[in-house]
Formats: sequence, C-alpha cells, structure tokens
Amino acid sequence: DGGITQSPKYLFRKEGQNVTLSCEQNLNHDAMYWYRQDPGQGLRLIYYSQIVNDFQKGDIAEGYSVSREKKESFPLTVTSAQKNPTAFYLCASSEVDRGNSPLHFGNGTRLTVT
Amino acid sequence: DAKTTQPNSMESNEEEPVHLPCNHSTISGTDYIHWYRQLPSQGPEYVIHGLTSNVNNRMASLAIAEDRKSSTLILHRATLRDAAVYYCILRGAYSGAGSYQLTFGKGTKLSVIP
Repeated sequence: DGGITQSPKYLFRKEGQNVTLSCEQNLNHDAMYWYRQDPGQGLRLIYYSQIVNDFQKGDIAEGYSVSREKKESFPLTVTSAQKNPTAFYLCASSEVDRGNSPLHFGNGTRLTVT
Repeated sequence: DAKTTQPNSMESNEEEPVHLPCNHSTISGTDYIHWYRQLPSQGPEYVIHGLTSNVNNRMASLAIAEDRKSSTLILHRATLRDAAVYYCILRGAYSGAGSYQLTFGKGTKLSVIP
C-alpha cells in the first residue's frame, strides 16, 4: 500500500541532544511537509519542500533543519537550539505543492525531551 | 495566523446530518478550500476539497458560498467513527504561494452522541 511512514512512533531524548525524525513516502509525490502539533492546538508548519534538493522555511523553522536528497525521504532534525522540542510531529506529502493537490499525512512521531 | 475560522466544538446525534461551518473572508480567487479530520494520536486524513462549485465524494459533501467567503462540510449521516477534529484550510492554486496557506487552526471538535 502506498503511504507515508514516520518512525519511530515514540522518541525520548535528553535535553541538549539533536534528534532526527524519519519520514518516507512511496506515493511518488514531489512535495513534502513537516508540521508540529502541541496538545489542544492546530498544526504549525515547520518546513516544506516542493521538489528534491529544495526546501523552504515555514512559520516555526527556528531550531529545526531538514534535507531533501531523495524524492521519497524528508528527514527532520530537531536541534538543541529548539527551546520547546517536546511535541507531536507530523509529516505530509502531496503530488505537487498546488491547491488542488490533497495532503497525505503519516501517523506522527511523539517526541519527548527531558 | 490561520486564515480560516471554525467553531471550537459541535455535537451531533448518531445517524443525523452534520453541518460544519468555516469562514474564510480573506480568501483569494485562486485559493482552494480543503477539509481534513484527525483522530486522537493520528495524522489528519483528507476529506474533500473544492474551488467554487459544491463537491461530493464518498465521505462528505462540501458546500461553498457564492462569494466563497465561507464553506460548509456536510456529513450526511454521522456515525461514531466520524467523531474527530475537523480542519478547514486554504491552499493556493500555484506552488510557492506562501506557507500561511498551509496553516491548520484548532479546528472543530465533533462529538457524536449514540
């Protein structure tokens, strides 16, 4: 089945450590996105990529970094510079980054930093 | 800030129709209206999208006001599995249109009463 795989589902890290969240899609989609969700809140865009080897900052990019070396992969690194990294992280993709192209989401990674 | 406004919560009786409203008074002529829903601890699921005309699919119907400043997601017969948070977002027609159009607000939490 085609879809988006995020791993791991739960991740625990100590403060001061960088951590990388995986996102893989086999939908052959050009565009990929990373969102952050805090309890009781909506989704906020961290980074998005319209095509391989290109990505753009979203609304809350500070303390995060991404790469897009392959079409199917869009890993997110949460660096030690991110002040409040504990959150639910969601990866999404769409065929293209255009209005009539629906977003497909993974089931998220819940990151806890202590 | 999100460009859409939705009620925080709504209730419906099982097997009755549900009308979920969304206001988007600053919508541009090329913005598509998308609806997604999210169950607890899962990623959002695409429901439906449209531009100007009303749209129907197996999950729901989307009614778009003539001036496009509001829309309504219609679930024809609510079931317990429809209990979720419903998000209305705008997506620009063309790529690179700006990250604000990918912002999810808090959405509407729909409760379905058996």
